Amino acid sequence: QSALTQPASVSGSPGQSITISCTGTSSDVGSYNLVSWYQQHPGTAPKLMIYDVSKRPSGVSDRFSGSKSGNTASLTISGLQADDEADYYCCSYAGISALGVFGTGTKVTVL
Amino acid sequence: QVQLVESGGGLVKPGGSLRLSCAASGFTFSYHYMSWIRQTPGKGLEWVSYISSGSSTVYYADSVKGRFTISRDNAKNSLYLQMNSLRAEDTAVYYCARNYASSMLIFDYWGQGTLVTVSS
Repeated sequence: QSALTQPASVSGSPGQSITISCTGTSSDVGSYNLVSWYQQHPGTAPKLMIYDVSKRPSGVSDRFSGSKSGNTASLTISGLQADDEADYYCCSYAGISALGVFGTGTKVTVL
Repeated sequence: QVQLVESGGGLVKPGGSLRLSCAASGFTFSYHYMSWIRQTPGKGLEWVSYISSGSSTVYYADSVKGRFTISRDNAKNSLYLQMNSLRAEDTAVYYCARNYASSMLIFDYWGQGTLVTVSS
């Protein structure tokens, strides 16, 4: 099972909105509404930001939103803040034989 | 608060074995599915294994199937990963993670990770 494809880096200025894409195939992202997103600051463990494509866990800012179209899922961060600077990973269910696959990761830089 | 603390990582030679442990606290461990996820600088995050709350269901990534065994002791609030026939490509930080509700692939809490290095 190949990793989902994410852009290596995305940048934006404070207050702007950015979108991170996560491209899979019809065997994973395209077939299931089971995409989640994780934020990871350097030296720390990942944190769940979005699950089931667009649901936010309690405590996660509503500046983070998720969507999906076809084989591509997206994470949008609006009102970009300095603390949003981190690595972001998507993850999708890929069927009972492969189970789960993560994305390649995207480094978000706040200019 | 939810805490997951991994231990057992270290340096091991190719072909060797290692057993990772994860001590859980701050929640009802026996209610939750649990997973191991690893991270390498070159390959990013990789889901490794998953175990249901009562240990009846386990899954493994193809890359570790037949070599790694996940288990848990609900009486001790502990999760384990027995790693045998280790290879250089198993070198990674290994995270213990709690699965959200009864999901297989939503990880709502993670430990701080334990580093496994496979090298001669």
